[in-house]
Amino acid sequence: ELKVEQNPLFLSMQEGKNYTIYCNYSTTSDRLYWYRQDPGKSLESLFVLLSNGAVKQEGRLMASLDTKARLSTLHITAAVHDLSATYFCAVDIYGNQFYFGTGTSLTVIP
Amino acid sequence: DTGVSQDPRHKITKRGQNVTFRCDPISEHNRLYWYRQTLGQGPEFLTYFQNEAQLEKSRLLSDRFSAERPKGSFSTLEIQRTEQGDSAMYLCASSLVGGQRYEQYFGPGTRLTVT
Repeated sequence: ELKVEQNPLFLSMQEGKNYTIYCNYSTTSDRLYWYRQDPGKSLESLFVLLSNGAVKQEGRLMASLDTKARLSTLHITAAVHDLSATYFCAVDIYGNQFYFGTGTSLTVIP
Repeated sequence: DTGVSQDPRHKITKRGQNVTFRCDPISEHNRLYWYRQTLGQGPEFLTYFQNEAQLEKSRLLSDRFSAERPKGSFSTLEIQRTEQGDSAMYLCASSLVGGQRYEQYFGPGTRLTVT
């Protein structure tokens, strides 16, 4: 069974600092997704990474994919309070079901 | 708002009762997925449809659970004889297969509480 692991599970960081969330997965996949979830809300799509070496950036967030290492990263630059949320990576196999990671709960402290 | 809607948003029921949830996907999307999410966990796949055909079901989907997508548009998820362990957020997502992205768009979810 495909496993998707994220670390850290909890991240508390000060405003203005940089940090990286890691997503490892256990089987071959060329597609990886990052989602954001606010408390009590549904999932909001952040990035879709479709090939090895893909890099996407939106505001203070940048995601990358290394399919050979089965690793994706979500890098946060100069964090602000509005980024506080839970971030999930998800891997899909053949466009069928998604396998989600355990999530990283991010708290940005003023 | 992703364009995927779910109804109801919240449901409180007593153990042993049956419940049914509805999902309306983005109209041009041909795939529809159901997930379950418990507190502190990522969503877990339950089942998915391509048009009206149910193509895959998770082992999590016990025989008390049934899903339908009768005309390839909206879908329903029914839980019979609910148990307290069924308390969770039930998420619906839709996607358009045939393009490159396979991206899934999630609805707001139905939060089920079984007392």
